[in-house]
This record gives sequence, structure tokens and C-alpha cells, in this order.
Amino acid sequence: AQKITQTQPGMFVQEKEAVTLDCTYDTSDPSYGLFWYKQPSSGEMIFLIYQGSYDQQNATEGRYSLNFQKARKSANLVISASQLGDSAMYFCAMPAGSGNTGKLIFGQGTTLQVKP
Amino acid sequence: DTEVTQTPKHLVMGMTNKKSLKCEQHMGHRAMYWYKQKAKKPPELMFVYSYEKLSINESVPSRFSPECPNSSLLNLHLHALQPEDSALYLCASSQDIALPKRTQYFGPGTRLLVL
Repeated sequence: AQKITQTQPGMFVQEKEAVTLDCTYDTSDPSYGLFWYKQPSSGEMIFLIYQGSYDQQNATEGRYSLNFQKARKSANLVISASQLGDSAMYFCAMPAGSGNTGKLIFGQGTTLQVKP
Repeated sequence: DTEVTQTPKHLVMGMTNKKSLKCEQHMGHRAMYWYKQKAKKPPELMFVYSYEKLSINESVPSRFSPECPNSSLLNLHLHALQPEDSALYLCASSQDIALPKRTQYFGPGTRLLVL
């Protein structure tokens, strides 16, 4: 069965600095994807970035990039030039099961606080 | 446009009330989801609809009743809820349930309080 682990319950970063949020996963499927979501205190889950297991390059979206290390089964999110608005909870997720069920499993999340 | 809307934003109900949560998307997505989320925890999947048919029910109590009237709308009917059902209820949609089109886009959620 798939498993997602986020080992950092909370992190602080100074404004304008870069920060890495860790995510490790376990799956026996040869084809899979990893998602990162941001959840501010308002509650909405905002999709940030997606990495497919067969993608040749690490995914990037603006200030967000994925440090995808397939052999180590890690998909860490890197946020460059942190902004106060980046303060939120961040979840790593991947599809559950080998079938196309639509079900996602989530890590426990990391709360990021950006200091001015 | 990746907008999913949910109404109401907040809901307070008694244990004997009947209420409904509504979710709408106009992205042409064919899969829609309901999640329940407690504070500081990840979302827990409740239901999945694919092409307007219920494809997953994660053993949710019958006091929660989902409905998908058409491909753009998803309702969650609530009846005889318990205080422990108080949570943030999130709706999401995706183009399809098959990778790589499975990116789920979430609505802002409904904060439910059961008294």
C-alpha cells in the first residue's frame, strides 16, 4: 500500500529565503504522481505542483520546484524567495492504489511560518 | 479557470436538522469529490463521483448522503449529525480519475459546526 511521510510538523523561514519541505513516499507502482498542496488558514487547498514518476525533469512552477529523487523515494518541495503569504500548511499527496480510483493519500502536513 | 465554488461558507446546525452543502465547477471536469478535514489534519476522502456515478464511498455513515445532479454540481445532504461531525468539508474536482489528469482542484470549503 502507498504511504506518504512528512516528518516536519512545523518550520520557520525568514522572508526572502528559500525553504525545503520534505516528503518521502512508498509505493510499488512503477507509474505514479506526486502532488503538493498549500492550505492557508482560510481553508482552501491550493494545488501547487505535480511530478510524474516518468517525467525527465524536476517540476517547476514559478517559485515552487520539486526536488524529485526517485531512488530515494523523496519529492521535496522547494519554495524560493519566501513571502509572508507563503505561511500555510503544506501537504504532499499521491494517488492511492494501483487502479484509477481518484483516491489521494496525503501526508500529515507541514506548517510553514514565514518571519518578516 | 480552476474555480470550484462551495456554499455555504459556514454552517451551524443542530443534531436534528437537515441541511445541504453545495459544490459547483464549470471546468468540464468529470470527477468530483467530498472530503472531511479536522483541524491540523490531512483531508479524509468521503465520496468520489466519476461521470455522475458514485464510484467510492469510504464507509461514510448514512447520515451523510451525496448527490450528483449533473456533471457540474455535487451536493452533500446532512441529517441527524453528531457533534464529532463538526469539521471543514472540502469539495474537489478533477478532469478525470485517471493519471495524469487526476490533479484535484479544491473549493474553499464549508466550516460545519454541529451543536
